[in-house]
Amino acid sequence: GDSVTQMEGPVTLSEEAFLTINCTYTATGYPSLFWYVQYPGEGLQLLLKATKADDKGSNKGFEATYRKETTSFHLEKGSVQVSDSAVYFCARLNRDDKIIFGKGTRLHILP
Amino acid sequence: DAGITQSPRHKVTETGTPVTLRCHQTENHRYMYWYRQDPGHGLRLIHYSYGVKDTDKGEVSDGYSVSRSKTEDFLLTLESATSSQTSVYFCATMNRDGYTFGSGTRLTVV
Repeated sequence: GDSVTQMEGPVTLSEEAFLTINCTYTATGYPSLFWYVQYPGEGLQLLLKATKADDKGSNKGFEATYRKETTSFHLEKGSVQVSDSAVYFCARLNRDDKIIFGKGTRLHILP
Repeated sequence: DAGITQSPRHKVTETGTPVTLRCHQTENHRYMYWYRQDPGHGLRLIHYSYGVKDTDKGEVSDGYSVSRSKTEDFLLTLESATSSQTSVYFCATMNRDGYTFGSGTRLTVV
């Protein structure tokens, strides 16, 4: 069935380092793709989205590009901050209006 | 998000007791969802609703039931709680940007 696979964590980086979190999706149709972020003790929040091939979603310095040829939607940030420490979920929207989530990647940023 | 309220935020209950979790939204969204979040599993869909009295099962629906008698309320019931249902439960609504989530209910079954 439809699925999303993201790199396992935890990922630990120093402040100001470059971040990449890999995400691939099963190529059924042309789903909308999302990155959600979950801070400790909170629900998930939409970080960014892309609805078609070659779209780039961006927010708070994070970016992800919808790559149809590699079925990928990798999350990147050029210079991470301690406040970016959280769990990040890659997700796709299926035709039945349900969102399928990856298992999440925990990110730790060290000062 | 201020538009979705989950209650209670925390609950401890005994095995075998019924438990109802409530999700209330003020955005008039048709589509609502219940997920559970567990370490190593991410978020898994329990039940969903596409409107009043229109509900269906997700991938982990065993032991759970739902009701939606009003657009704004989506109730999740554990008929007879088990320790395997200890989890964090999230409600979500669908809008044109994707999902908006509530803050979650942490349920512990002892």
